[in-house]
Amino acid sequence: NAGVTQTPKFRILKIGQSMTLQCAQDMNHNYMYWYRQDPGMGLKLIYYSVGAGITDKGEVPNGYNVSRSTTEDFPLRLELAAPSQTSVYFCASSYSAGVSPLHFGNGTRLTVT
Amino acid sequence: GESVGLHLPTLSVQEGDNSIINCAYSNSASDYFIWYKQESGKGPQFIIDIRSNMDKRQGQRVTVLLNKTVKHLSLQIAATQPGDSAVYFCAENRLNTGNQFYFGTGTSLTVIP
Repeated sequence: NAGVTQTPKFRILKIGQSMTLQCAQDMNHNYMYWYRQDPGMGLKLIYYSVGAGITDKGEVPNGYNVSRSTTEDFPLRLELAAPSQTSVYFCASSYSAGVSPLHFGNGTRLTVT
Repeated sequence: GESVGLHLPTLSVQEGDNSIINCAYSNSASDYFIWYKQESGKGPQFIIDIRSNMDKRQGQRVTVLLNKTVKHLSLQIAATQPGDSAVYFCAENRLNTGNQFYFGTGTSLTVIP
C-alpha cells in the first residue's frame, strides 16, 4: 500500500511551457485534492474531485486544469507556466469529505523561470 | 476576516520536555480539526484529529485539546524527542464552505538534544 504517489519530485519549467503533475492513490478513496504550498502560507486548494468524472475549483484554480478519469489518478495540468506558479504542489486523498483526514503525497517542487 | 492561524511561528524545547503548539480558528461552523506534521521535503503527515463534539483526544504521546468557546486548538506532545522536530499545522473543516479544509501557516518545532 503506497498511499499517495506524486511524480515528478522536482521540475524546472520555462515561462510558457506546459506540464502535467501526476498523482495516484491506491487506497480506493473517492475524494482527491490538489494544494499548493508557498513559503509562510498555509496550503491553498487548487482543485478537488469527489469521484471519477467529477472535478471542481478550489480557492486558487486559475492557470490550472484537472481531470479524473479513474478513481486512482488525478493529474494536474499547467498549460502556460508563469513565475507565480513556482511552488510546492501536494496531492491528497480522503475516504470522505469533512469527516476523515487527508492523506498527502510527498509533493512536487516546481520552479518556473 | 476568518483565518486559521498559529500563535507562535517557532518553538524550541529541550529533549524530554513537553511541547504545546497552539492554533486559533474563527469559523464557528468548523466541526472537524486535524493536526499535521511536516518534515523537510515531505508531505504533511496526519498526527491526530478531533471532532467538535469532543474537547480532548489522546494518541500516542500526543493530545489535542479543543476549546470551542474561544475557538482554540492545541497539540501537546509529551516527552518531546529529536524526531519530533518539524513544522506542525492545524487544519479545520468548514461546513459552510462545502466541507473544505483550511490550513494554518505552521509552527516550526525544534528539539534541542
